Amino acid sequence: GQQLNQSPQSMFIQEGEDVSMNCTSSSIFNTWLWYKQDPGEGPVLLIALYKAGELTSNGRLTAQFGITRKDSFLNISASIPSDVGIYFCAGQQLPGANSKLTFGKGITLSVRP
Amino acid sequence: NAGVTQTPKFRVLKTGQSMTLLCAQDMNHEYMYWYRQDPGMGLRLIHYSVGEGTTAKGEVPDGYNVSRLKKQNFLLGLESAAPSQTSVYFCASSQPQTQETQYFGPGTRLLVL
Repeated sequence: GQQLNQSPQSMFIQEGEDVSMNCTSSSIFNTWLWYKQDPGEGPVLLIALYKAGELTSNGRLTAQFGITRKDSFLNISASIPSDVGIYFCAGQQLPGANSKLTFGKGITLSVRP
Repeated sequence: NAGVTQTPKFRVLKTGQSMTLLCAQDMNHEYMYWYRQDPGMGLRLIHYSVGEGTTAKGEVPDGYNVSRLKKQNFLLGLESAAPSQTSVYFCASSQPQTQETQYFGPGTRLLVL
């Protein structure tokens, strides 16, 4: 089946630093998504990308849909303690009922004050 | 609106016991999903439903059954629990037109001894 690759599994940064994480696949996806899971909660959608090359921001978060449609990256600027959590990328190959989301394994982000 | 709620929050089962996890959503969403989350594995789709009375298999359906008798509820059943089913289970819902935007519940933590 399709796989989305996220690495490393964990990242440790200092408060105030920027951090970038990427997600790659051997398959083409037509929609790329970034979800965040706070400790003890369910994932929440951060950013959705629909077009190759698209760059979208949501506050301190910026995400891009790769030109090849096989990758995406998420950048968090000026990190703060509440950025702690697991960041999942997800892809959808086609719209429609039978095109489910494929999730990456997630990156656990820790922010040192 | 409560969004997506899950019952129970936590459960301990013995091998061979059965149980049902309940998911409810008050957003009138057509689509509902059950995922399991295991360390280092990300989110894997168990079963999903595109409408009342319909269900379909996801990536890891074995050992689970589901029912969608009412639009707002999606039940996940374990007929004979196994230790390999120890996991955190998340329910999610979405609308067909914005399937990529899934709203997740808070999760049910299940331990099978």
